[in-house]
Amino acid sequence: NAGVTQTPKFQVLKTGQSMTLQCAQDMNHEYMSWYRQDPGMGLRLIHYSVGAGITDQGEVPNGYNVSRSTTEDFPLRLLSAAPSQTSVYFCASSSTRTGKYSNQPQHFGDGTRLSIL
Amino acid sequence: RKEVEQDPGPFNVPEGATVAFNCTYSNSASQSFFWYRQDCRKEPKLLMSVYSSGNEDGRFTAQLNRASQYISLLIRDSKLSDSATYLCVGNGGSWGKLQFGAGTQVVVTP
Repeated sequence: NAGVTQTPKFQVLKTGQSMTLQCAQDMNHEYMSWYRQDPGMGLRLIHYSVGAGITDQGEVPNGYNVSRSTTEDFPLRLLSAAPSQTSVYFCASSSTRTGKYSNQPQHFGDGTRLSIL
Repeated sequence: RKEVEQDPGPFNVPEGATVAFNCTYSNSASQSFFWYRQDCRKEPKLLMSVYSSGNEDGRFTAQLNRASQYISLLIRDSKLSDSATYLCVGNGGSWGKLQFGAGTQVVVTP
């Protein structure tokens, strides 16, 4: 009964380092997305994918890359970490395309807490 | 102006009391809404989906007012465990995107 699994749960990086946040879901969900959450700002969409091989930008995509080679996995890559990317990152999935005309909620992983020094 | 707006609170509620708070949305095309609860920067967890005029699940009632473009959440007989931030989410955004409010904090006190 794993649902959406994110690794690592905590990470500290130095400015300029790169890393990949992993996200995997075992529900055969078509839609996956990455959010960041900062105090007082709510959840902001970074990138999303509506199926394997298809990705698109969200509200705050700069500094992040994604790929979707399989239905199950949706990794988020930080190319050159900056202190402004210190945040809590959530991966989410839903069974069908979410957003307009969809009635599907999203299911969230338990987050990656990332600090950039 | 944010597309989904919520009063950040906190709403301080005595245990056993009723609390209600609203979420307003600007996109009249929004058809479905969701309430999530989030504990202390943990992951949001789905509390309720609202597709028509409202929904009820135990002590929780959501009501949707399309004319005035707001959705409310009412919690009856509040428990200490109801202390959390409640996120309002709408599907009025473009294809592939949900619209999240910043959340309303509820603090239930003994």
